[in-house]
Amino acid sequence: GNSVTQMEGPVTLSEEAFLTINCTYTATGYPSLFWYVQYPGEGLQLLLKATKADDKGSNKGFEATYRKETTSFHLEKGSVQVSDSAVYFCALKGANTGNQFYFGTGTSLTVIP
Amino acid sequence: ETGVTQSPTHLIKTRGQQVTLRCSSQSGHNTVSWYQQALGQGPQFIFQYYREEENGRGNFPPRFSGLQFPNYSSELNVNALELDDSALYLCASSVDQGKAAEAFFGQGTRLTVV
Repeated sequence: GNSVTQMEGPVTLSEEAFLTINCTYTATGYPSLFWYVQYPGEGLQLLLKATKADDKGSNKGFEATYRKETTSFHLEKGSVQVSDSAVYFCALKGANTGNQFYFGTGTSLTVIP
Repeated sequence: ETGVTQSPTHLIKTRGQQVTLRCSSQSGHNTVSWYQQALGQGPQFIFQYYREEENGRGNFPPRFSGLQFPNYSSELNVNALELDDSALYLCASSVDQGKAAEAFFGQGTRLTVV
């Protein structure tokens, strides 16, 4: 079946620190992988995605590489800002599951000045 | 281009009651999905609609039902509410169902069952 395992939080970093949030997945076939971000009181927003192995998704300084050999899609950012404080969700969508996303449990990030 | 909008934003219901949540999809999107997000958890897929027909369902009982209208707006109905139904309900729309298609989420409806 399809599932996503995300590193547990919460994560607290100082401004300009390096961020890594680990995500591994189990899937039937070759899924697409996504990172969504949820700011307080809001819905989910797409941060980045990758649709095949070795693809790198990037947006707003965040990056993640689709690693088929390790079934991973770790999120990284070189220098976090206070405005990056949010909950981050790793998700996959399978080849034959319509519009169904499988989400991880989320990782809460707090960046302190 | 308008985004996905949901109403109401907050709702309090009593156990055993019925509730209807509404969603207006993003313009041009023909697929709408509903998710339940319990506190501190990731969203869980309830079901999706494509061209007014349900064509995918997660592990939720039949008392969770829905409708999609010709203008791509959608409703989620929950009967016989239970305390565990308290959650944030998210609506998401997509332009198609391909595996690369991203979903655009609304801000959610926070349902509290007392």
